[in-house]
Amino acid sequence: DTEVTQTPKHLVMGMTNKKSLKCEQHMGHRAMYWYKQKAKKPPELMFVYSYEKLSINESVPSRFSPECPNSSLLNLHLHALQPEDSALYLCASSRADGEAQYFGPGTRLTVT
Amino acid sequence: RKEVEQDPGPFNVPEGATVAFNCTYSNSASQSFFWYRQDCRKEPKLLMSVYSSGNEDGRFTAQLNRASQYISLLIRDSKLSDSATYLCVVGDSSYKLIFGSGTRLLVRP
Repeated sequence: DTEVTQTPKHLVMGMTNKKSLKCEQHMGHRAMYWYKQKAKKPPELMFVYSYEKLSINESVPSRFSPECPNSSLLNLHLHALQPEDSALYLCASSRADGEAQYFGPGTRLTVT
Repeated sequence: RKEVEQDPGPFNVPEGATVAFNCTYSNSASQSFFWYRQDCRKEPKLLMSVYSSGNEDGRFTAQLNRASQYISLLIRDSKLSDSATYLCVVGDSSYKLIFGSGTRLLVRP
């Protein structure tokens, strides 16, 4: 089973709202990732969690706040976003460093 | 210079054709190599890992040339369902994957 699930599928939020994106995997993977993808562009890495600890933050603005409550779950808390933050947000997981990453279906976010 | 470079295409080929995609990467210390496919408005899906000895999965063959820092993907007997964007992906270290911009393939009847 190589399934990564994400909720919600779609999200529309205003610039003053607070919302959270959720990601779950039950493959026993020890690394989890958040990516942002704009139309016709490749995914851009935002955060990496390794063994439930934040190991990489790609200089993401503080209005995005990741959280890893346990080895299966990854959240992305959103606050005071801008319209240019509208994108597909993808979660991924991998068994170990350098191994293939498996992506969830993504959350399509629109900021109004 | 981009870290991972691909021809953006689109490659427009008839069903049954053989098509090849190429990719170059700049970091000679890269450790892992993959091809992903991405359908419109969907997530990237792993197509295959790429090994130095080359590997094949059905109609798909991937090759890696570390000396030239070059990766290829060959698709034989193209199907309509192969239409997608193909992403060349290179793992540098510390859990980071570097994505190419993708090559778009259109297979026509």
